Amino acid sequence: AQSVTQPDIHITVSEGASLELRCNYSYGATPYLFWYVQSPGQGLQLLLKYFSGDTLVQGIKGFEAEFKRSQSSFNLRKPSVHWSDAAEYFCAVGATGFQKLVFGTGTRLLVSP
Amino acid sequence: GAVVSQHPSWVICKSGTSVKIECRSLDFQATTMFWYRQFPKQSLMLMATSNEGSKATYEQGVEKDKFLINHASLTLSTLTVTSAHPEDSSFYICSAPPGTSGLSETQYFGPGTRLLVL
Repeated sequence: AQSVTQPDIHITVSEGASLELRCNYSYGATPYLFWYVQSPGQGLQLLLKYFSGDTLVQGIKGFEAEFKRSQSSFNLRKPSVHWSDAAEYFCAVGATGFQKLVFGTGTRLLVSP
Repeated sequence: GAVVSQHPSWVICKSGTSVKIECRSLDFQATTMFWYRQFPKQSLMLMATSNEGSKATYEQGVEKDKFLINHASLTLSTLTVTSAHPEDSSFYICSAPPGTSGLSETQYFGPGTRLLVL
């Protein structure tokens, strides 16, 4: 069965500093991978996705993620964090396709001044 | 972008009562919608797949008689928590991939409904 691990429950980053959120997945075939952001009162918003092709994926809001098959990882990065990036971030893998999703437990990002 | 709404955004009910949660796609049609449940500080867990015009498909361990799903139209799915108990208190989220082909790579999430059962 598919599973997703986000080892960091909380991360605090200074505004302007770089960010990397870790995600490891378990899946037998080529995975469909996603990163979502959840802000209070708003629905999950898709940051980026990987289905195939270039392993470095660009997303919205300046985020990118790199798929590394050898490490079963899909880490999310941003070179310079803004205070508005404070939110909960979820990594997900498509189960039996790309619509039914299995989510990780999330990483809460705190941005310090 | 496409919008998915949920109503109500929060609800408090007494134990033993039933609660209906609506999920609407406001500017697109969706043959399929998904219902998730999120416990505090935990991940979203897929509960069921709602299919327009047919029965919902429930994930293993989810009681279909407890969580009734009706996908009455291409823009509306409802989740009814029957005879709710305090352990049903949670955050319920729906999502909808646009279209009727089942091939949409993108899906849109509602803002969630917080249910508190006293």
